[in-house]
Amino acid sequence: GAGVSQSPSNKVTEKGKDVELRCDPISGHTALYWYRQSLGQGLEFLIYFQGNSAPDKSGLPSDRFSAERTGGSVSTLTIQRTQQEDSAVYLCASTLDSGGRKTQYFGPGTRLLVL
Amino acid sequence: QQPVQSPQAVILREGEDAVINCSSSKALYSVHWYRQKHGEAPIFLMILLKGGEQKGHDKISASFNEKKQQSSLYLTASQLSYSGTYFCGTGAYNFNKFYFGSGTKLNVKP
Repeated sequence: GAGVSQSPSNKVTEKGKDVELRCDPISGHTALYWYRQSLGQGLEFLIYFQGNSAPDKSGLPSDRFSAERTGGSVSTLTIQRTQQEDSAVYLCASTLDSGGRKTQYFGPGTRLLVL
Repeated sequence: QQPVQSPQAVILREGEDAVINCSSSKALYSVHWYRQKHGEAPIFLMILLKGGEQKGHDKISASFNEKKQQSSLYLTASQLSYSGTYFCGTGAYNFNKFYFGSGTKLNVKP
């Protein structure tokens, strides 16, 4: 595709439910980041995938959060037993390679609202 | 590990200049600058690498002083389209983590 896509664009869920957010990176991009942005705040790093390497999960805010990347392409971020403080925009970004020398291209985000 | 940005907010008139600063307590390997408009995803402005380089395009430029662990973004002769929130970002040495500053909200008025 032409850019990074994310789905769903909006998600409203009830407290305690599980949600799954999807990110389709730009074709050929080996690195992928997930961020969380609460209303009016900055971007909080969650997790990074590079190729097929196991990610460092220490940035995930709690053990209710998990992420995977299948086949080095599509990534899903799963939040179990959602809480109201999980409400935020979840952004993913892909980049051509690691090393910090390449642009991160952001998707439009998934706006999550936990009631 | 999150870089510190200053100022938090700037209000300008069209044509005025602004400087946004980004500093880190950790060694900087590269610095990224992005702009985000309300309700939109961040978009790339530029990346600066080690070596004290300075970059620019159009009327937006940036410098990177790795010794001082600082970067500055310079906006000259600001335009209405420059309004938005500016973020600097930097990664761990192997970029398995990436941290953005808290952002500088720029408002350019006619």
